[in-house]
Amino acid sequence: GESVGLHLPTLSVQEGDNSIINCAYSNSASDYFIWYKQESGKGPQFIIDIRSNMDKRQGQRVTVLLNKTVKHLSLQIAATQPGDSAVYFCAEKPETSYDKVIFGPGTSLSVIP
Amino acid sequence: SQTIHQWPATLVQPVGSPLSLECTVEGTSNPNLYWYRQAAGRGLQLLFYSVGIGQISSEVPQNLSASRPQDRQFILSSKKLLLSDSGFYLCAWTPVWGGDIQYFGAGTRLSVL
Repeated sequence: GESVGLHLPTLSVQEGDNSIINCAYSNSASDYFIWYKQESGKGPQFIIDIRSNMDKRQGQRVTVLLNKTVKHLSLQIAATQPGDSAVYFCAEKPETSYDKVIFGPGTSLSVIP
Repeated sequence: SQTIHQWPATLVQPVGSPLSLECTVEGTSNPNLYWYRQAAGRGLQLLFYSVGIGQISSEVPQNLSASRPQDRQFILSSKKLLLSDSGFYLCAWTPVWGGDIQYFGAGTRLSVL
């Protein structure tokens, strides 16, 4: 289910370093995964997605890795910038769910200048 | 292009007062619509979703209700607010043709005093 009652884990990264944000998903039947970025006081924005028939997908400065064996998803941000400071959510869509996705608890990323 | 609007951006209401938050989507037809609540420093809790006019699915029993009087309008209401209703309320939409990426509005920050 949704981990809405948990406080956000935090990650602090030096500007210019790479960031790795991890997510453990719950449903082995999930076939689609999405990463969102939420800046303070704003709604979440789509970053990148991946289907279960892939194990890696790259975007601009971001890479998503999927390990179905251990039900683990990660978001890698290259050369982290101050503008990357935000809360990052992973979301999974079970193949039996037609209209809803399940959001993870989120990770707060702070970039140290 | 499609846009989603939420208002008001912030709201301070006394306990026991009614609530009406509105969300509208432009540039698409028959979207799936969602209401989420986010407590400070926490994850996203799905409250309601709708796949069509007059069709509302409730995810969490609570003091709130939702309505969809028009195709692209989604309203979150309460007859009597509780302190625990405070939070950041987010509206989101997905395309009817099966896209799973949710596009979020800017949110409404509700403080119940």
